[in-house]
Amino acid sequence: GENVEQHPSTLSVQEGDSAVIKCTYSDSASNYFPWYKQELGKGPQLIIDIRSNVGEKKDQRIAVTLNKTAKHFSLHITETQPEDSAVYFCAASDVNYGGSQGNLIFGKGTKLSVKP
Amino acid sequence: EAGVAQSPRYKIIEKRQSVAFWCNPISGHATLYWYQQILGQGPKLLIQFQNNGVVDDSQLPKDRFSAERLKGVDSTLKIQPAKLEDSAVYLCASSLGLDFSYNEQFFGPGTRLTVL
Repeated sequence: GENVEQHPSTLSVQEGDSAVIKCTYSDSASNYFPWYKQELGKGPQLIIDIRSNVGEKKDQRIAVTLNKTAKHFSLHITETQPEDSAVYFCAASDVNYGGSQGNLIFGKGTKLSVKP
Repeated sequence: EAGVAQSPRYKIIEKRQSVAFWCNPISGHATLYWYQQILGQGPKLLIQFQNNGVVDDSQLPKDRFSAERLKGVDSTLKIQPAKLEDSAVYLCASSLGLDFSYNEQFFGPGTRLTVL
């Protein structure tokens, strides 16, 4: 089955700096890669996602890149702000031949701390 | 639009006792998921429903866990009897459940279970 590795487990940056979180996956059939942000006491919230027919996607200060050959994808946050502090999870999934979305397999998470 | 509702938010029980969690998904969402999130890890899927049918329960410990989704709306997850290793946050998520598409999963706030 699919296995998702995420690094680093913790990341501390100064406000205004950039943050990069990297994930690798094992199943070449995976074709959907979402990133979730989880704040303390809350459920994960989708912040950006990318599909396997796209190499890069950007939404304001957040971008995700995907390298299908190497089976890795990364989250980039620019101009970090204190409110970006949270745990970030990557995940991988597929849409199977039956047309239904496969299970999301999550990484172990990265705790991002942005210092003012 | 109301989000995914879960109750209770916190539960403390002793081992071998039973416990039940309730989830009300976003209106109109056909797919409902229950995840287990152990401290320091990403969510792990326990069971997935499409309307009131089970799509995937391969990772549900069926000797002690059960779940149902009557009438294809609300769902309950039960643990009986609980073990110490069941201490975790139980997350409910829902999605539109459209075929051949990538369906964003919306998560509830979770129920934090502590087994003593």
